[in-house]
Amino acid sequence: EPEVTQTPSHQVTQMGQEVILRCVPISNHLYFYWYRQILGQKVEFLVSFYNNEISEKSEIFDDQFSVERPDGSNFTLKIRSTKLEDSAMYFCASMDRGGTDTQYFGPGTRLTVL
Amino acid sequence: AQSVTQPDIHITVSEGASLELRCNYSYGATPYLFWYVQSPGQGLQLLLKYFSGDTLVQGIKGFEAEFKRSQSSFNLRKPSVHWSDAAEYFCAVARYSSASKIIFGSGTRLSIRP
Repeated sequence: EPEVTQTPSHQVTQMGQEVILRCVPISNHLYFYWYRQILGQKVEFLVSFYNNEISEKSEIFDDQFSVERPDGSNFTLKIRSTKLEDSAMYFCASMDRGGTDTQYFGPGTRLTVL
Repeated sequence: AQSVTQPDIHITVSEGASLELRCNYSYGATPYLFWYVQSPGQGLQLLLKYFSGDTLVQGIKGFEAEFKRSQSSFNLRKPSVHWSDAAEYFCAVARYSSASKIIFGSGTRLSIRP
């Protein structure tokens, strides 16, 4: 069964550094998402992406965040200058609207900002 | 604002016993409803979803859920739990379509007593 994959599984960085989290969505999917889960808290929506542009973003997704689909297979989340409060598990999801109409989630990248 | 409430933070049931996890949502129209499961260190796996039609939906791993419009509820049930069902369960809604952002409840942690 096709899966969403994410790399790395765990990223440790220093505060103020840039990080790029990578996702490979399921191949025929056209809708892409990033969510995050701070330890002990609920899963929160960050951004959705369709047709090479952001379709919706949350208040969390400020100017420090950006997303890109650089090559038609990867979907990335960049945090320009990480803060301690960015430490969380970041989940990528993809969906084939009109097919299963289900957002399939990847296993997550645990980001630790020191 | 749209919200999802899971009133039970932690539930413990005996193996073989029945299970019901509660979920209420606040939104006027019928949203798109989901239950996801997260095992420790794992991503989010869809158990089942409700978009329209029969209000009793069957999912994977023997789970089912019933949508009750009058109570704004979407409770998850399983007639006989197995030790492998120990995990975190999230109720979630999408407001406008299956492509909309998913709003998650705070989760219910299920423990299984041998």
